[in-house]
Amino acid sequence: GIQVEQSPPDLILQEGANSTLRCNFSDSVNNLQWFHQNPWGQLINLFYIPSGTKQNGRLSATTVATERYSLLYISSSQTTDSGVYFCAAEGAQKLVFGQGTRLTINP
Amino acid sequence: SAVISQKPSRDICQRGTSLTIQCQVDSQVTMMFWYRQQPGQSLTLIATANQGSEATYESGFVIDKFPISRPNLTFSTLTVSNMSPEDSSIYLCSAARGRGDTQYFGPGTRLTVL
Repeated sequence: GIQVEQSPPDLILQEGANSTLRCNFSDSVNNLQWFHQNPWGQLINLFYIPSGTKQNGRLSATTVATERYSLLYISSSQTTDSGVYFCAAEGAQKLVFGQGTRLTINP
Repeated sequence: SAVISQKPSRDICQRGTSLTIQCQVDSQVTMMFWYRQQPGQSLTLIATANQGSEATYESGFVIDKFPISRPNLTFSTLTVSNMSPEDSSIYLCSAARGRGDTQYFGPGTRLTVL
């Protein structure tokens, strides 16, 4: 089945910094989604992005399907951005999640 | 988007007992799923809940251990049967309007088995 790898596994930044999270996937996918899991465990869908670039406020995402990777950009980080960021790729009609990037934003 | 609620939000259970988790979606959806997230780990799909028919289970998960019901397009239950401490996890319900669409997640049920 499809494999999804995320990097880096952990990232610690100061408030105001920018960051780039990467997601590599092993095969062609029908869609690619980014999620944020807050410290209370709630998963929030950030982007549905099988290809191209999307932006939502301080967050943006780019998926290059032909090269099998996706990037999530966070600009001007805030402490509320802390948590775990997951990418998930759909293959064989199910989502496969990566191991996540744990982001800690210090004030 | 879809708003998803789960009950209970958390529970502490004794070994050998069973717990049923409820998932309610605020609108009709085609797809509903159940995931498990073990401590410090990523999400693993348990099964796809099919309306009016048996759920489709992923490798490593069986109906006797995780029976699932889906009586209509807005509601599903997952039962964790004959629990052991290894079943301590967060169980999450998700829904999508159609196959391949954006998935929305419930708040999760945090289960501890003693």
